[in-house]
Amino acid sequence: GQNIDQPTEMTATEGAIVQINCTYQTSGFNGLFWYQQHAGEAPTFLSYNVLDGLEEKGRFSSFLSRSKGYSYLLLKELQMKDSASYLCAVRSNTNAGKSTFGDGTTLTVKP
Amino acid sequence: SQTIHQWPATLVQPVGSPLSLECTVEGTSNPNLYWYRQAAGRGLQLLFYSVGIGQISSEVPQNLSASRPQDRQFILSSKKLLLSDSGFYLCAWSTGSGEGNEQFFGPGTRLTVL
Repeated sequence: GQNIDQPTEMTATEGAIVQINCTYQTSGFNGLFWYQQHAGEAPTFLSYNVLDGLEEKGRFSSFLSRSKGYSYLLLKELQMKDSASYLCAVRSNTNAGKSTFGDGTTLTVKP
Repeated sequence: SQTIHQWPATLVQPVGSPLSLECTVEGTSNPNLYWYRQAAGRGLQLLFYSVGIGQISSEVPQNLSASRPQDRQFILSSKKLLLSDSGFYLCAWSTGSGEGNEQFFGPGTRLTVL
């Protein structure tokens, strides 16, 4: 099975940098995803890591260490619109590539 | 481009009534399809997934069932709703399990069982 842990809540200031951590335990790893979900809306894809290292996409970066079962999402130059829940999801190497989601980290950006 | 539709957007049903939620995908063929439920303040719980027509895998024992009568149609059903079935139901699709292949989510259905 799979177990995913993320902090429940984080608060940061507009313009700052925030790092959201995710640790996981899995029996068959085939990639880690980060999704953003605004309140009342569906999640949207942010990033994907399958190899160790850092993937950068504009203001967002995601890091993976498979040996440590650890990932983080880094958000730079925070904007008020970044206030949302951030979901870490680990995909298994079984048929259909189904993913297990963490409970999400609710980020509040303050002015 | 691909789009995913879900309806209805919101639903209020009495305990013991039946349920049918529909999800359709456009612009892709033979997608993997998924049904998730999200309780308030929680992550997504995978309920069912499907790799093809008529092929349904259930992740957790529950009061719900799923069907895939056509390649791009996925239906979530219940014969008798329970209070615990309340939640935000999300349908998603992906192209497979290869590199990348993130899931794309529909707008969701918010179900309240009274």
